[in-house]
Amino acid sequence: EAGVVQSPRYKIIEKKQPVAFWCNPISGHNTLYWYRQNLGQGPELLIRYENEEAVDDSQLPKDRFSAERLKGVDSTLKIQPAELGDSAVYLCASSSFGSGVSEQYFGPGTRLTVT
Amino acid sequence: ILNVEQSPQSLHVQEGDSTNFTCSFPSSNFYALHWYRWETAKSPEALFVMTLNGDEKKKGRISATLNTKEGYSYLYIKGSQPEDSATYLCAPNSGGSNYKLTFGKGTLLTVNP
Repeated sequence: EAGVVQSPRYKIIEKKQPVAFWCNPISGHNTLYWYRQNLGQGPELLIRYENEEAVDDSQLPKDRFSAERLKGVDSTLKIQPAELGDSAVYLCASSSFGSGVSEQYFGPGTRLTVT
Repeated sequence: ILNVEQSPQSLHVQEGDSTNFTCSFPSSNFYALHWYRWETAKSPEALFVMTLNGDEKKKGRISATLNTKEGYSYLYIKGSQPEDSATYLCAPNSGGSNYKLTFGKGTLLTVNP
């Protein structure tokens, strides 16, 4: 079974430029998460989708960040314009929502450097 | 926002040593505790999910215990190997939801051959 796929793996951009990250979750997983991990910190949730609906985007900086999951499968996270403080690892995870504890499966992340 | 503490922040051990790390979290509204291992340039890998006070889980040379009443979990590695070098993250769920993980900063383990 293929895991969570993310691209690109690395991205270097200048500040004020736009950037987009793509995630394809594990087949059949209806819940998708985007996390951001700043240097020296643990991952922090940015947004959670159940199918195509964003059910928790309380931590997403909406002035410059946007996300979509149009068909309830893959997802794109965008930053426009990027700032120096956006340099981080952006992780995508997926899970199969149901009763009991849901394990989240992570992709390898996109390491963003803003110069 | 939960206050999740992991200690130590980093650890260097020799191959063959046994070691352990601590994850502390608020004991109120506890639902589950997840442990992940994250090797550089790879995906974070799920190690354990624990829900009940007194839970003990084991996977090869790695084991974990859970105390929900006092709000801590221990992760043990027996006979560390260089391939165990990674960051170990803990993440409790809280508030009755089973999705909202709050990660600690992790413990960076380096095993020297």
